[in-house]
Amino acid sequence: DSGVTQTPKHLITATGQRVTLRCSPRSGDLSVYWYQQSLDQGLQFLIQYYNGEERAKGNILERFSAQQFPDLHSELNLSSLELGDSALYFCASSLAGGPFYEQYFGPGTRLTVT
Amino acid sequence: QKEVEQDPGPLSVPEGAIVSLNCTYSNSAFQYFMWYRQYSRKGPELLMYTYSSGNKEDGRFTAQVDKSSKYISLFIRDSQPSDSATYLCAMTSAPNTGNQFYFGTGTSLTVIP
Repeated sequence: DSGVTQTPKHLITATGQRVTLRCSPRSGDLSVYWYQQSLDQGLQFLIQYYNGEERAKGNILERFSAQQFPDLHSELNLSSLELGDSALYFCASSLAGGPFYEQYFGPGTRLTVT
Repeated sequence: QKEVEQDPGPLSVPEGAIVSLNCTYSNSAFQYFMWYRQYSRKGPELLMYTYSSGNKEDGRFTAQVDKSSKYISLFIRDSQPSDSATYLCAMTSAPNTGNQFYFGTGTSLTVIP
């Protein structure tokens, strides 16, 4: 158990809908990362937050947005969902603040868009 | 061209074999190199990381980085059935300073008892 929690574990929704994925980082970690993992694309970095502020942005679609709240939990919002958005979404957290800190991954949310 | 290329395998070896996993990359700015292990239906977990070129050893695992060839490797000695997983390489130019992480697609490894 990495200490990172993600809810829900599974989500099934229809095209065009909007969903919110939630992540609680490990106690003491200030940085949160979101990743998308699909069979054909592998693990894709979406976005990083550090202590409430956006720190780095990867291949995140405009239909997707995220935020980190004062209590350091984070939410990833996916809107106007398409079939191709079906994937595993991972959240990771790290202490941050130095040259390198290990990212601890949560168990993931499996999103199925029908 | 993808930033990071990794042979997806699958790779199947007998218990006790030496396993070699590799990634190539195109961005010469990458300085931090990581290997993650991902068991089925689990999130990735960090195995090792190295900075710049060179070797790093941790038990049965050795990570090598050759920046001149833009090539990184992970060696697993005396492989065990518990090593059966997908191995992902990852890299970045400067973590925690606004640069993103790039992952390979992963190599699936099965160690046969």
